[in-house]
Amino acid sequence: DAKTTQPPSMDCAEGRAANLPCNHSTISGNEYVYWYRQIHSQGPQYIIHGLKNNETNEMASLIITEDRKSSTLILPHATLRDTAVYYCIVPRTTSGTYKYIFGTGTRLKVLA
Amino acid sequence: EAGVTQFPSHSVIEKGQTVTLRCDPISGHDNLYWYRRVMGKEIKFLLHFVKESKQDESGMPNNRFLAERTGGTYSTLKVQPAELEDSGVYFCASSQDLITGGTQYFGPGTRLTVL
Repeated sequence: DAKTTQPPSMDCAEGRAANLPCNHSTISGNEYVYWYRQIHSQGPQYIIHGLKNNETNEMASLIITEDRKSSTLILPHATLRDTAVYYCIVPRTTSGTYKYIFGTGTRLKVLA
Repeated sequence: EAGVTQFPSHSVIEKGQTVTLRCDPISGHDNLYWYRRVMGKEIKFLLHFVKESKQDESGMPNNRFLAERTGGTYSTLKVQPAELEDSGVYFCASSQDLITGGTQYFGPGTRLTVL
């Protein structure tokens, strides 16, 4: 019952920008969009999050559409170490708990 | 600043035995979460502590699982008795914000293998 939809896999050439899309058409006005990635079996690593405005940090940029129903994570210059499963998450709130619902994510493969 | 730590990193036990997993959250983080991924499945929420209180334990699979967070610092997750289907990777996460939940930071996980 994930609130987000992502393509199962994508390839990207090393050095090029990787653009990972996510649909979250049922998002509410005060819900954030979070992006994480998981490299092999390591713990999910936080990348970036946003509410309405586009966001950028040292790892990535997040573009959120004006209607907030979808977003795109951009890795500007993908490297081999960016090969991972990327998760787009809209926390589900129940009784004061902000639980993450992990879908299957997008498996990004960066090619040399 | 130290991140979320988990111990042990790996545990191999036999069916019917007991195992206790430990999570140390980031200092000052009142929210502590447990998640797990069993073979071939997605990462699933288990429970949420706010300080020492269980806020939501709706994801706990059954009464063989017991989570505690005495003193509101580190947390333990005990599985007793362990079954084969408990094998998987158990992740702990912590966050600071009590109002909006805040960003959850995950530990490296404990890989549990039940034989």
